[in-house]
Amino acid sequence: AQSVTQPDIHITVSEGASLELRCNYSYGATPYLFWYVQSPGQGLQLLLKYFSGDTLVQGIKGFEAEFKRSQSSFNLRKPSVHWSDAAEYFCAVGARGNTPLVFGKGTRLSVIA
Amino acid sequence: KAGVTQTPRYLIKTRGQQVTLSCSPISGHRSVSWYQQTPGQGLQFLFEYFSETQRNKGNFPGRFSGRQFSNSRSEMNVSTLELGDSALYLCASSLSSGGAQETQYFGPGTRLLVL
Repeated sequence: AQSVTQPDIHITVSEGASLELRCNYSYGATPYLFWYVQSPGQGLQLLLKYFSGDTLVQGIKGFEAEFKRSQSSFNLRKPSVHWSDAAEYFCAVGARGNTPLVFGKGTRLSVIA
Repeated sequence: KAGVTQTPRYLIKTRGQQVTLSCSPISGHRSVSWYQQTPGQGLQFLFEYFSETQRNKGNFPGRFSGRQFSNSRSEMNVSTLELGDSALYLCASSLSSGGAQETQYFGPGTRLLVL
């Protein structure tokens, strides 16, 4: 079975600074990988996903993520953070076939002026 | 196109009661998944329904059940509520049941508080 770890529970960055959120997965084959964002009182919104092909994936809101098979990682990046990016971010991994997604515990992002 | 809607948004119950939560998927979506979100356990998969059939089930006790109707709307039921059932219950819909590659669209959730 697949699993996913988000090592950072809470990260604080200054507005305008760059951001990298870490995600490590465990799965025997090439997984499906996702990043979702959850704002307070909201459901989850898909930022980007990786299935195959180019390992650098572009998403919405200026986010990108890079799949690194050798490191079993799928880190989320943004070059310049805006105050509106403050939210909880979830990495998820899916296996081939009809199995449900497995989510990480999330990383809460705070943005300071 | 309207998104996933969940009703009610907030609910307060007492231990031992039962509760039913409702989810209306995006029009045309036939798969509905339910998740429980708590601060300690994060997002945990409850079950998935496709064409009125349960396709997957997570590791939850039998007190948690669900169903899907012919119009793809889904309900989940929790009987004999326990304090630990307090959580945000999220519903997600997808176009079909093609597995994890199907993008899931989440509703805003139902916040359940058990006293």
